[in-house]
Amino acid sequence: DAGVIQSPRHEVTEMGQEVTLRCKPISGHDYLFWYRQTMMRGLELLIYFNNNVPIDDSGMPEDRFSAKMPNASFSTLKIQPSEPRDSAVYFCASSFGPAGETQYFGPGTRLLVL
Amino acid sequence: RKEVEQDPGPFNVPEGATVAFNCTYSNSASQSFFWYRQDCRKEPKLLMSVYSSGNEDGRFTAQLNRASQYISLLIRDSKLSDSATYLCVVTLSGNTPLVFGKGTRLSVIA
Repeated sequence: DAGVIQSPRHEVTEMGQEVTLRCKPISGHDYLFWYRQTMMRGLELLIYFNNNVPIDDSGMPEDRFSAKMPNASFSTLKIQPSEPRDSAVYFCASSFGPAGETQYFGPGTRLLVL
Repeated sequence: RKEVEQDPGPFNVPEGATVAFNCTYSNSASQSFFWYRQDCRKEPKLLMSVYSSGNEDGRFTAQLNRASQYISLLIRDSKLSDSATYLCVVTLSGNTPLVFGKGTRLSVIA
């Protein structure tokens, strides 16, 4: 069992650049979640999908953030343009069944925007 | 008031000690409760669910107090490997996403 796979694991970029984070959920899981974690705000839910359809994106901070899930095995979170305040660890998680079930997290992407 | 509140710690305890964390939640309609564990620079992982009658898993005991809207986690005979951040997690129902607290950091010292 490969678990949730995220790439890249680390990303350093300059302000204004586009950043794309990628996630492959566990096969068979029908929910996918994107989170952002910082010391100040903790773990924040950005958006989640059910069967590839976005259900709730109210946590997306602003229009610079967008997420897609073109198929059951792949999702992207894009930030364009990036800003220093976007620096954080971004986690993808997946689960089988209703949104409140146990979630399995990927290793995260550490993003630093200079 | 935040949905899920935890004392951030850190709790620094010697090996073998018993330590307890509390967590409060704001929505009285919350139905499911969990403790997740996050090691330094790692992802969160489910530690245990919290049931109304309380439940135990080895050295770990979880309790729920619905009247006071708090959840507790008790760790007995602490090990160095218990050092981590413990996240309190709540959900309104099986169809709503998990809400995570900011976590309580535990350091077990030799």
